Amino acid sequence: AQSVTQLDSQVPVFEEAPVELRCNYSSSVSVYLFWYVQYPNQGLQLLLKYLSGSTLVKGINGFEAEFNKSQTSFHLRKPSVHISDTAEYFCAVSRTGSNYKLTFGKGTLLTVNP
Amino acid sequence: EAQVTQNPRYLITVTGKKLTVTCSQNMNHEYMSWYRQDPGLGLRQIYYSMNVEVTDKGDVPEGYKVSRKEKRNFPLILESPSPNQTSLYFCASSLLSASGNTEAFFGQGTRLTVV
Repeated sequence: AQSVTQLDSQVPVFEEAPVELRCNYSSSVSVYLFWYVQYPNQGLQLLLKYLSGSTLVKGINGFEAEFNKSQTSFHLRKPSVHISDTAEYFCAVSRTGSNYKLTFGKGTLLTVNP
Repeated sequence: EAQVTQNPRYLITVTGKKLTVTCSQNMNHEYMSWYRQDPGLGLRQIYYSMNVEVTDKGDVPEGYKVSRKEKRNFPLILESPSPNQTSLYFCASSLLSASGNTEAFFGQGTRLTVV
């Protein structure tokens, strides 16, 4: 079975500051990794995903994440955040070759203040 | 437009009154699933379906039923709702791909309150 730990439940930052949202996973098999974003009163939207290849993955809205196999981490970063990035962010994993079942972390609420 | 549509978006009901939340996708996806989202717990899978007439339990199936009679529809049924089923529910769909190069598409959510 897989599990995901998002180390911070809330991250407040000021506009134009850099941000890192941390995600660690546990799995006995190879996994795919995902970050989803949930804006207020909306469903989840895929930000980026790591399937294989380069460990640095770029997504939408200027976000990127780096897969670190030795540390079993997949932290999300953005060099300069905007007010509009205020949302809840979910890290998720699925087993390699059976991408259908996603296991989610508990989420990190990013609040960008002016 | 590719989308997953859930209805209703908001629902208040009383304990024990059967209800159905509908979910429909227009992307011809094989895989569909239901999640519930609760504060501090993230999303937990309730049921999933890998194709028509193929359904299975997720992590928190108690108190729920599903059916998959058509590829595009995957309704969630609460036969006798209880207050602990008050939650935000999401339907999702995705292609089944051995390479894993796919993503899950989510509906807008259904906020259910059971009183």
